[in-house]
Amino acid sequence: AQSVAQPEDQVNVAEGNPLTVKCTYSVSGNPYLFWYVQYPNRGLQFLLKYITGDNLVKGSYGFEAEFNKSQTSFHLKKPSALVSDSALYFCAVRDKDTGGFKTIFGAGTRLFVKA
Amino acid sequence: GAGVSQSPSNKVTEKGKDVELRCDPISGHTALYWYRQSLGQGLEFLIYFQGNSAPDKSGLPSDRFSAERTGGSVSTLTIQRTQQEDSAVYLCASSVTGGEGRGYTFGSGTRLTVV
Repeated sequence: AQSVAQPEDQVNVAEGNPLTVKCTYSVSGNPYLFWYVQYPNRGLQFLLKYITGDNLVKGSYGFEAEFNKSQTSFHLKKPSALVSDSALYFCAVRDKDTGGFKTIFGAGTRLFVKA
Repeated sequence: GAGVSQSPSNKVTEKGKDVELRCDPISGHTALYWYRQSLGQGLEFLIYFQGNSAPDKSGLPSDRFSAERTGGSVSTLTIQRTQQEDSAVYLCASSVTGGEGRGYTFGSGTRLTVV
């Protein structure tokens, strides 16, 4: 079975500081990994994905994520946070080999960026 | 259409009534997904369609929930005899085929409140 854990309900960071939102996953086979963002009163938006290849993937709005197979992690990062990055972030996984077409989402991490 | 459209955006219903939620995916997207987002919870997978077939309906919470898709396009999620625990935001998403490692495009959701 596949699962995703986002260990932090909330992350607080000052504007201009680097940010990290953590995600770990569990799959039987190889993973497709995703990050989505949900801004207030707006729908979920796709941010970035890891399929294969380079472990560091870059996405929208200056975000990036690093796939670490040995630690089964896919943490979201940004070198310099903006107040406008404040939102709810979801990590998601699909098992490439056995998970069919079902993507499992984490519980979400709320990011607050203070000016 | 340009995006995934869901209707209604808000629905308040009395306990015990039936409701229908509609999803109009992006034109040409063969894969369609329903998720549920409860307050403080992550996204809970409900059902996945490939064309008009539903190869995975493992997430439907009970037999009060059903979904169909017609013409490989519009999908309807029906909840019979609604209960207060059904209150949530119901999200629909679509993707080109479902099997590729792409992100989903989500609609804005239907906020269902059962009183």
